[in-house]
Amino acid sequence: DVKVTQSSRYLVKRTGEKVFLECVQDMDHENMFWYRQDPGLGLRLIYFSYDVKMKEKGDIPEGYSVSREKKERFSLILESASTNQTSMYLCASSQTLPGTERYEQYFGPGTRLTVT
Amino acid sequence: AQKVTQAQTEISVVEKEDVTLDCVYETRDTTYYLFWYKQPPSGELVFLIRRNSFDEQNEISGRYSWNFQKSTSSFNFTITASQVVDSAVYFCALSRAGVGANSKLTFGKGITLSVRP
Repeated sequence: DVKVTQSSRYLVKRTGEKVFLECVQDMDHENMFWYRQDPGLGLRLIYFSYDVKMKEKGDIPEGYSVSREKKERFSLILESASTNQTSMYLCASSQTLPGTERYEQYFGPGTRLTVT
Repeated sequence: AQKVTQAQTEISVVEKEDVTLDCVYETRDTTYYLFWYKQPPSGELVFLIRRNSFDEQNEISGRYSWNFQKSTSSFNFTITASQVVDSAVYFCALSRAGVGANSKLTFGKGITLSVRP
């Protein structure tokens, strides 16, 4: 079974702190994703990576950065946390296959971040 | 641009009722993929189904069934004889074909289903 783990289920940080959210997958997936989920807004893509050291901005990258130094690990960084970054953060991974075939994304349990 | 619309935001049914969750999508691609995910109260998204644009066959899996209609750009999900355990948020999602940057999903805003005993 694919396993995507996130470093914390719940996190409380202060405004201005630097925050690291870690995600690890154990299935050698090429693609990894960070989303945030807010009531009424669904899931919004922050950043994704389709290879080590590669990253692409999603729909809402402002205020965030990412790091992917190893294939299995994808980190989301809030350089200076703000209260509007209080949210549920979900990490996902997926496989790349030859051709155009697309397989599903597997999600971690989420990190509920509160910035006070 | 790709877009997924889940017009229903909240649905409440009594156990054993049938319920249909609607999903309408927009894309200019001829090859694309559609997905449904379930998010129970525990929070983790669970994959339910994947369908590619060339396969319009309806699918049934136990009490779950999916109706894909390209003519109306819809991919609706029906739960037959609903149970309390079906209470969750359900997301429809769309992806392009291809690798790299095409691998991302576009999600709808989700439908909160409550099944009352």
